[in-house]
Formats: sequence, C-alpha cells, structure tokens
Amino acid sequence: QVHLVESGGGVVQPGGSLRLSCVASGFTLNNYGMHWVRQAPGKGLEWVAVISYDGSEKKYAESVKGRISISRDNSQSAVYLQMNSLRREDTAMYYCAKDGVFLIAEYYFDHWGPGTLVTVSS
Amino acid sequence: SYELTQAPSVSVAPGQTASITCSGDGMGEKFAYWYQQKPGQSPVLVIYQDTKRPSGIPERFSGSNSGNTATLTISGTQVMDEADYYCQAWHISTVIFGGGTKLTVL
Repeated sequence: QVHLVESGGGVVQPGGSLRLSCVASGFTLNNYGMHWVRQAPGKGLEWVAVISYDGSEKKYAESVKGRISISRDNSQSAVYLQMNSLRREDTAMYYCAKDGVFLIAEYYFDHWGPGTLVTVSS
Repeated sequence: SYELTQAPSVSVAPGQTASITCSGDGMGEKFAYWYQQKPGQSPVLVIYQDTKRPSGIPERFSGSNSGNTATLTISGTQVMDEADYYCQAWHISTVIFGGGTKLTVL
C-alpha cells in the first residue's frame, strides 16, 4: 500500500526558507517520478515541481522557478522541496504526489500525501 | 499560456447523471486526468488517460475526451460523490489544472 507523508511545513517570514520532506513507503521509490503540488487556502491545485525517478531531470512551474529546488534520496525513500525567498503567495498546503507511470513520468498523480501547510507571514 | 476551463459549480439530484466538463485548446489531443477532493482531504485520482479508472474507483465514474473538451461523467450519482473535481493535463513539460468544479448532490 502506497504511503506518502510530508513534513517540514510551518510559519516563515517573507524572504525566509523552508525545507519540506516527503517519506515514501509501500512501493519502490526509485522507479517513479515524484511531484510537489500545492493548494492555497480556498483555491485550486497548482503543480510546483517534478523530479525523475533517478533525479537526473527536474522541472518547475514558472511561478517558483529560481526559488524552489526539488531533490530526492532514494536510499532514504525521501523527496525534498527546498523553498527559498518565500513570498506571501507561497502560502499553501504542499502535497507530495507519486507519478502514475513506471520510470517515465507521465505527469499525473496516482497517490497523494496528506500535505504539509506552509504559511508565509510576518 | 495554456488554460483549462471548468464550470465553478454543478448540481445533480441523487441517482441522476452528473457531467463535469474541462475545456482547453486541443484538449482532445492530450490525455485528461480527473481528481476528486473532499473537504479537508487530499485529492484522489478518479480517471486517468481520458477513460481509465484506477483500482478502487467505482464504475459509475467514467471519462471521455475529444475536440476541445474532456468530460467526467458520474452515473447514478451518490451523496458521497459531493466534492470538488479538478481536471488536469500535461502541456509542454508542465502540468495544468482546471480551476475545479464543485459538485453538489441535492
């Protein structure tokens, strides 16, 4: 049974940094691309970033490019999201999500974690 | 930039058929994906690659995609299906979500 658990959220001042973690279990992490998706309070879903199964490819939404970095440590069954220069508009629930296709990412999400809340506020 | 358009809300009586649409330029040439999100919960994939249902998703959920519109159909809608529904597509190595449709079952 696939299980994803995010952590690392919290309250941070504008301009600050935060590192989110996602620990995966129930499947072989190094066979799947992994994504981060966020949802601002009362708003819709917004894709943030993807990392390929082996970490060799990374892609980002334009809204976070240059400020956010995705990484993974397959030996630790974990995926990370390093968030720098945070803005108020980055306030959201951040979900870790598993890509639906073995090895080659097809950019859809067949399992989601419960999310971790990031609040950017002074 | 590429956009997917969904109606903000749809209402349906229990037992009837609900149709939720997702419009985008050339949508039929892409794969459509649909997610259900209930209040306070994470999204759940209900349709992938236009028409396929993941394991555990009831048969009353179905999908289609042609022209500029993808459609999620819920046949025999149940009260438990009341939720927000988001369509999603992949465009030039980026993920696009529709704005979401709130399905009310009453």
